[in-house]
Amino acid sequence: GDSVTQMEGPVTLSEEAFLTINCTYTATGYPSLFWYVQYPGEGLQLLLKATKADDKGSNKGFEATYRKETTSFHLEKGSVQVSDSAVYFCALSRNTGGFKTIFGAGTRLFVKA
Amino acid sequence: DADVTQTPRNRITKTGKRIMLECSQTKGHDRMYWYRQDPGLGLRLIYYSFDVKDINKGEISDGYSVSRQAQAKFSLSLESAIPNQTALYFCATTSWGAGELFFGEGSRLTVL
Repeated sequence: GDSVTQMEGPVTLSEEAFLTINCTYTATGYPSLFWYVQYPGEGLQLLLKATKADDKGSNKGFEATYRKETTSFHLEKGSVQVSDSAVYFCALSRNTGGFKTIFGAGTRLFVKA
Repeated sequence: DADVTQTPRNRITKTGKRIMLECSQTKGHDRMYWYRQDPGLGLRLIYYSFDVKDINKGEISDGYSVSRQAQAKFSLSLESAIPNQTALYFCATTSWGAGELFFGEGSRLTVL
């Protein structure tokens, strides 16, 4: 079945450091790929998405590129801020057999001032 | 006001008690979902519904039931709560083809 694997956390960085959170997926066909972010005490919210191969999703300085050849959707940001401290979830969905979203385990990011 | 509202936000109960978590949405979406979040496991799907007459089990439905009272309302019940159902529960909605899920703020349930 479909699955999402993302790097374990926590990831601890200093402010202005470069961030990469790795995500790989297993799915048949052509799923849509997402990154969601969960700030403390809140629900998840969409950070960015990509719906087909080679698409790049971007938002708030974060980017991720849909790489079908490596089945990956790694999240990157060039310069993190303390306010980026949160849990990040990689996810996929396919609109076949019922529209369901499969989530990775989540990666907690701490950014130090 | 939030687009997806969950009640209660926090609940502590005892083993064997019946618990209902409620979700209502103002986004006009047809699809609603209940997820459970546990540390290190991400979010796992409990039940989902594509319209009022459609209810589907997710990957971890045992011990849970749901009711879709209206397009905007989707409740999750634990008929006889047990300690390993202690978790953070999220309701989410989406419209057909959109892909993006919209989440409530979560209901933290503790079963003693």
